Amino acid sequence: EVQLLESGGGLVLPGGSLRLSCSSSGIIFKNYAMSWVRQAPGKGLEWVSGISGPGYPTHYADSVRGRFTISRDNSKNTLSLEMNNLRVEDTAFYFCAKTKIASIPPYIFDLWGQGTLVTVSS
Amino acid sequence: YVLTQSPPVSVAPGKTANITCGGDDIESKSVHWYQQRPGQAPLLVMYEDKDRPSGIPERFSGSSSGSTATLSINSVEAGDEADYYCQVWDSRSNHVVFGGGTKLTVL
Repeated sequence: EVQLLESGGGLVLPGGSLRLSCSSSGIIFKNYAMSWVRQAPGKGLEWVSGISGPGYPTHYADSVRGRFTISRDNSKNTLSLEMNNLRVEDTAFYFCAKTKIASIPPYIFDLWGQGTLVTVSS
Repeated sequence: YVLTQSPPVSVAPGKTANITCGGDDIESKSVHWYQQRPGQAPLLVMYEDKDRPSGIPERFSGSSSGSTATLSINSVEAGDEADYYCQVWDSRSNHVVFGGGTKLTVL
């Protein structure tokens, strides 16, 4: 079955760190660029970061640049998001999303995971 | 770069829903559309303005003209009730941009 499965979410203090993972199955992972997209509870979609199939280039939203790092391990079919210096406003569901091709741009998200919730609160 | 979507829309079953997405010079960009039902992950329903992914009903169509892209849903069904988001790639900022979303309610 073709699917993406996120993990690693949870409750963290402001200023803390968290690492999210997204495991893929049913696809040739290295052939597709990937992204993280987040959604604060009751709010709209916000793109966070993207990475090409080979691992470079990467792109970041201004709100997370310098604090978050996207990476991938094509040998393990896994996408990661290292999040440091977390802020209350980073609280959201984080979705991993697959794009249609390996290069970025374009970003066309044709497969999404179910999301993992990150809560930043004291 | 900002994408502005139309306000919430309510449509009776069998009628047509039109959801618009406006942005500066949007006609030069490829617009993609996602459906998000409550409690679910988004689903790609239209890409590159007017192309339907496999499995998306022909009732869904897309167009782009001038400063507005439009997602049209013909013969609306109860299952179409969802939030719809447009999305583009902004090459000036190297950012993916989503519109704020439009809620479709089926009466």
